Amino acid sequence: AQSVTQLGSHVSVSEGALVLLRCNYSSSVPPYLFWYVQYPNQGLQLLLKYTSAATLVKGINGFEAEFKKSETSFHLTKPSAHMSDAAEYFCAVSEKGDTGKLIFGQGTTLQVKP
Amino acid sequence: DTEVTQTPKHLVMGMTNKKSLKCEQHMGHRAMYWYKQKAKKPPELMFVYSYEKLSINESVPSRFSPECPNSSLLNLHLHALQPEDSALYLCASSPRGQGANEQFFGPGTRLTVL
Repeated sequence: AQSVTQLGSHVSVSEGALVLLRCNYSSSVPPYLFWYVQYPNQGLQLLLKYTSAATLVKGINGFEAEFKKSETSFHLTKPSAHMSDAAEYFCAVSEKGDTGKLIFGQGTTLQVKP
Repeated sequence: DTEVTQTPKHLVMGMTNKKSLKCEQHMGHRAMYWYKQKAKKPPELMFVYSYEKLSINESVPSRFSPECPNSSLLNLHLHALQPEDSALYLCASSPRGQGANEQFFGPGTRLTVL
């Protein structure tokens, strides 16, 4: 069965510092991987997705993620944190088959300190 | 139009009430989803409709009844809910319900059951 593990339920960085949010997946087939962001009292917004094209994926708001098959990882990074990046971040893998069902990680809360 | 809309934004209901949540998209997507999200938790899938047919029911109690009248509209009918059903209910859509397709989320309905 596919699964997603997000290391660190809470990450705190200073404004301007590197953001690194960790995601490891388990899948017996090449996965489709996603990062979503959720601001308070809002729905989820797609940041980026990996669908077996380029291993380095660029997303919105300056975020990017690198798919590393050997490490079964899909970590999310941003070179310089902004106060507006404070939110909940979810990594997800798409279940194999045609259901489109997403398996979410437990989420990481990103705090950005001035 | 590239968004998923949900109404109402907030709903308070008693345990004997009957109410409905509405979700609409005009992106031509053929898969639509209902999720339940508790605070500080990832979304939990409830139902998936693919081409207006119910394709996944994640063992949701019968007090939740989904309906897909057409390809743009998804309803969730609520009856005899329990206080533990209080949560954010999210609707999402995707082009074909396939693994590579990202899901587009609405802003959610915040439900409180008294």
